[in-house]
Amino acid sequence: DGGITQSPKYLFRKEGQNVTLSCEQNLNHDAMYWYRQDPGQGLRLIYYSQIVNDFQKGDIAEGYSVSREKKESFPLTVTSAQKNPTAFYLCASSIRGAESYNEQFFGPGTRLTVL
Amino acid sequence: AQSVTQPDIHITVSEGASLELRCNYSYGATPYLFWYVQSPGQGLQLLLKYFSGDTLVQGIKGFEAEFKRSQSSFNLRKPSVHWSDAAEYFCAVVLTGTASKLTFGTGTRLQVTL
Repeated sequence: DGGITQSPKYLFRKEGQNVTLSCEQNLNHDAMYWYRQDPGQGLRLIYYSQIVNDFQKGDIAEGYSVSREKKESFPLTVTSAQKNPTAFYLCASSIRGAESYNEQFFGPGTRLTVL
Repeated sequence: AQSVTQPDIHITVSEGASLELRCNYSYGATPYLFWYVQSPGQGLQLLLKYFSGDTLVQGIKGFEAEFKRSQSSFNLRKPSVHWSDAAEYFCAVVLTGTASKLTFGTGTRLQVTL
């Protein structure tokens, strides 16, 4: 089945530790995205990548880092510099388009809790 | 400032009743418009989208939405709600030529009573 996989579903981390969230897609999509979701705030874009080895900051990139070494993978690292990391993290992907928008498909999410 | 507003945080309807969820946007030009649904602890699923053309768009699960340029609105409707429609609904927009960067509203949580 084609789709987006995020692992783990639940993640606990101690304060001061970095943690990496996995996102894999087998849809052959060029573009991938990371969003953060907090209650009452909708989704906010952290980072996005339109092509391998290239990525751009979104609206709330501080305290996060990403890499895009393979087309199908876009891991997100939540660093100790992120002041309030407890949230639900969603990964998405889309066919990269030139000027037109392409639908984003979402993974099931990872809930990160900082203890 | 550019924004997407969903004025209703929480709505409760009876099963079988009609539903309308409101969405307003504030942009200089008409963006692409979307409605997504999220079940608890899950990812988002696209219900419908509007790019251009007919202002009444049909989506999955019996949902429809109407784009009204004069009101900068894109309200989601369903004639008869089912208990399984209980979820959180997000309106989202993307400006043309902005690398598919979605901007989401804060969401409306729908509760369905039997």
